[in-house]
Amino acid sequence: QKEVEQNSGPLSVPEGAIASLNCTYSDRGSQSFFWYRQYSGKSPELIMSIYSNGDKEDGRFTAQLNKASQYVSLLIRDSQPSDSATYLCAAATGANNLFFGTGTRLTVIP
Amino acid sequence: DAGVTQSPTHLIKTRGQQVTLRCSPISGHKSVSWYQQVLGQGPQFIFQYYEKEERGRGNFPDRFSARQFPNYSSELNVNALLLGDSALYLCASSLVSYPNTGELFFGEGSRLTVL
Repeated sequence: QKEVEQNSGPLSVPEGAIASLNCTYSDRGSQSFFWYRQYSGKSPELIMSIYSNGDKEDGRFTAQLNKASQYVSLLIRDSQPSDSATYLCAAATGANNLFFGTGTRLTVIP
Repeated sequence: DAGVTQSPTHLIKTRGQQVTLRCSPISGHKSVSWYQQVLGQGPQFIFQYYEKEERGRGNFPDRFSARQFPNYSSELNVNALLLGDSALYLCASSLVSYPNTGELFFGEGSRLTVL
């Protein structure tokens, strides 16, 4: 059983639209959740972290966490072609490591 | 400020050989983790070190080993390489003290190809 699951994608949105990325996790003991962006051939880059239920906004990015539903999402408003990348959802399910999903590839079409 | 630095960036080995990958964390970070990322998959946890002690180990065979030095840099060793070890090996550092995970900051990775 996978610890963290994400939309299989790929996801394509037009420039200026809202991109919605979703993630579920299996371990109810998970306390910390993260979204990473990974450009092709590059390493993951931290975008957002969220620790409590509700929304957390940072610029064009909003992370949402619902621990009862074991669900995490990332919204990207006013999507830009530079947002085209693979987005990785991660959950801290143990004391000392992250479990990552397989990632959702997002393409923003100019 | 320098981020996480890894070396070498690319390397090619043959089956049965051994490889050592190196990592220097962000200044002030005492926790270093290693992840393996196979093409098309998310990173998989291999090891975490904090204050020079192993604090966690993922589901990898004993051919994988690591250590952390007094300056908090780290090495990952893989013995008896298999074709399936071909992957991007990522090092990440964290400011948060064990046992919390905190935010991980990744280096650019070492891309290993095993022929």
